[in-house]
Amino acid sequence: QVQLQESGPGLVKPSETLSLTCTVSGYSVSSDHYWGWIRQPPGKGLEWIGSIFHTGSTFYNPSLESRVTISLDTSKNQFSLRLNSVTAADTAVYYCARADTAMIIRSWGQGTLVSVSS
Amino acid sequence: IQMTQSPSSLSASVGDRVTITCRASQAISNYLAWFQQRPGKAPKSLIYAASSLQSGVPSRFSGSGSGTDFTLTISSLQPEDFATYYCQQYNIHPFTFGPGTKVDIK
Repeated sequence: QVQLQESGPGLVKPSETLSLTCTVSGYSVSSDHYWGWIRQPPGKGLEWIGSIFHTGSTFYNPSLESRVTISLDTSKNQFSLRLNSVTAADTAVYYCARADTAMIIRSWGQGTLVSVSS
Repeated sequence: IQMTQSPSSLSASVGDRVTITCRASQAISNYLAWFQQRPGKAPKSLIYAASSLQSGVPSRFSGSGSGTDFTLTISSLQPEDFATYYCQQYNIHPFTFGPGTKVDIK
């Protein structure tokens, strides 16, 4: 069974960089799938951030594209999210997810809350 | 692509038939998924390709539609179904979600 687990700081200061890692078990990130990030501000809906294919090709939400980087670490079977120049508006629960080659989301991580505050 | 859902919330009883509507601002063929989110939990994938059930999802859930208009139906609401439901289009980047429909107990 595929499992995904987010990890990273729960508190980030404004203007700094948010960094999260998703550790995958039960499936190789080198396999023919997409690996993505989705966020949910407290009490609000879901926002797709972006995804990376096993080849390294990335797709980002244009609203965040200038600040986002998603990368793969095949040696650790992980993928990561970096979001630069954060503000309070970036406070959210961040989920990592696995999608198949048809971009259908099949698995979700449990989510991790990241607060942006000084 | 903008996704809208109606209603934004509804109250229902155990055993009720519930229908939620999702509309896309432009045609997306059948590239539509539905998710269930219980309070404090991660979303759970229910349906993909508008009408195909994810593995392990009870058959009381069904989906239909194509183009711009889609529905999620729960044929007989169970206590564990009280949650918020989101639709998502995955036809055109950036993939977008609907605002959600909260189903609570009448």
